[in-house]
Amino acid sequence: SQQGEEDPQALSIQEGENATMNCSYKTSINNLQWYRQNSGRGLVHLILIRSNEREKHSGRLRVTLDTSKKSSSLLITASRAADTASYFCATLTGANSKLTFGKGITLSVRP
Amino acid sequence: GAGVSQSPRYKVAKRGQDVALRCDPISGHVSLFWYQQALGQGPEFLTYFQNEAQLDKSGLPSDRFFAERPEGSVSTLKIQRTQQEDSAVYLCASSFSTGLLSSYEQYFGPGTRLTVT
Repeated sequence: SQQGEEDPQALSIQEGENATMNCSYKTSINNLQWYRQNSGRGLVHLILIRSNEREKHSGRLRVTLDTSKKSSSLLITASRAADTASYFCATLTGANSKLTFGKGITLSVRP
Repeated sequence: GAGVSQSPRYKVAKRGQDVALRCDPISGHVSLFWYQQALGQGPEFLTYFQNEAQLDKSGLPSDRFFAERPEGSVSTLKIQRTQQEDSAVYLCASSFSTGLLSSYEQYFGPGTRLTVT
């Protein structure tokens, strides 16, 4: 079963614009992670935010976490064509070490 | 190598055949995970090893699926009597460590695309 639900399912923007992707989850978490997957490739870790953190930055990435709403958002600023990929949120919960992924968001950045 | 490697990258099997998928994790990584990713979906957890111990196999869909990591490094996922619904990309990931408060990210391999005809 998949805990994370991302929205929108697909997003198309112009290069230079910002992209905002949202993720909701159902149960308490230890941390939430965002991954990127280019077509036909494995996943690449982007950023991790712990349950006691509210916001984190890494380069052009900004992630927020609202545990009261069980939601997170990923903002990519000044998007580039190379950002075109599928983005997944994944949660780490309880005593489990496994990640539970959402279905993903397909981001297309038009040059 | 610098990253997680998987072989083969592509596998076509006839229904009923057995297949073995290999994962070479990053050297020194204690934890190893297998995920199954169906087309257009996110990865779904299959099983998890800490060193050679299989600590969680709750995601294995049936007893036709078996995974091992006998020396705590390379892992093999075996699927017996493959069925069409087994067609998916099988992803392996490794992590330096893990635990309740761990923040260690998982490093993924490129995956093995299995097609059962």
